[in-house]
Amino acid sequence: DGGITQSPKYLFRKEGQNVTLSCEQNLNHDAMYWYRQDPGQGLRLIYYSQIVNDFQKGDIAEGYSVSREKKESFPLTVTSAQKNPTAFYLCASRRSEKLFFGSGTQLSVL
Amino acid sequence: KQEVTQIPAALSVPEGENLVLNCSFTDSAIYNLQWFRQDPGKGLTSLLLIQSSQREQTSGRLNASLDKSSGRSTLYIAASQPGDSATYLCAAANNNNDMRFGAGTRLTVKP
Repeated sequence: DGGITQSPKYLFRKEGQNVTLSCEQNLNHDAMYWYRQDPGQGLRLIYYSQIVNDFQKGDIAEGYSVSREKKESFPLTVTSAQKNPTAFYLCASRRSEKLFFGSGTQLSVL
Repeated sequence: KQEVTQIPAALSVPEGENLVLNCSFTDSAIYNLQWFRQDPGKGLTSLLLIQSSQREQTSGRLNASLDKSSGRSTLYIAASQPGDSATYLCAAANNNNDMRFGAGTRLTVKP
């Protein structure tokens, strides 16, 4: 099956801990994105990458980091500097003007 | 900065009813506008994409319109079904890497 796979589906973070959310795609898309979704709000862009070994900050990059070492993979690390990490995180890739989304990771703080 | 608003936040209708979901945006210089569907705890699925030069797009029972001058888009759903129950989000793109999302309208279609 072609698509975007996010894991894990649920993740719990302890205070002071860094956690990494996985995003893998086999659609051969160059551009990939990370969004954060909070209840009652629209999606907000955290980071995006248009090509391997390149990425750009979105609107709310503080407290997050990414890497893009392979075309297929765009992991997101939520660092201890992110003081309000509880949210639903969505990864997407783009073909032309259409976005294709993964099924999301719900991150909660213990 | 582009701001996207969707009203109402929630809508409940009986099965079979035709309905309209609204999306407004503040900057009319958009590149395109997309409508997405999101089921609970899931990612988004693209439904319709309207280019800035287009007025509407249709797919099955769905019709999306775009009026850039007034900063509005509507999603029309004909003959609604319980399976249409989901949250519908619109997103206005100023370019491929600057897409602004509304908070969505949560639709419930009652049998």
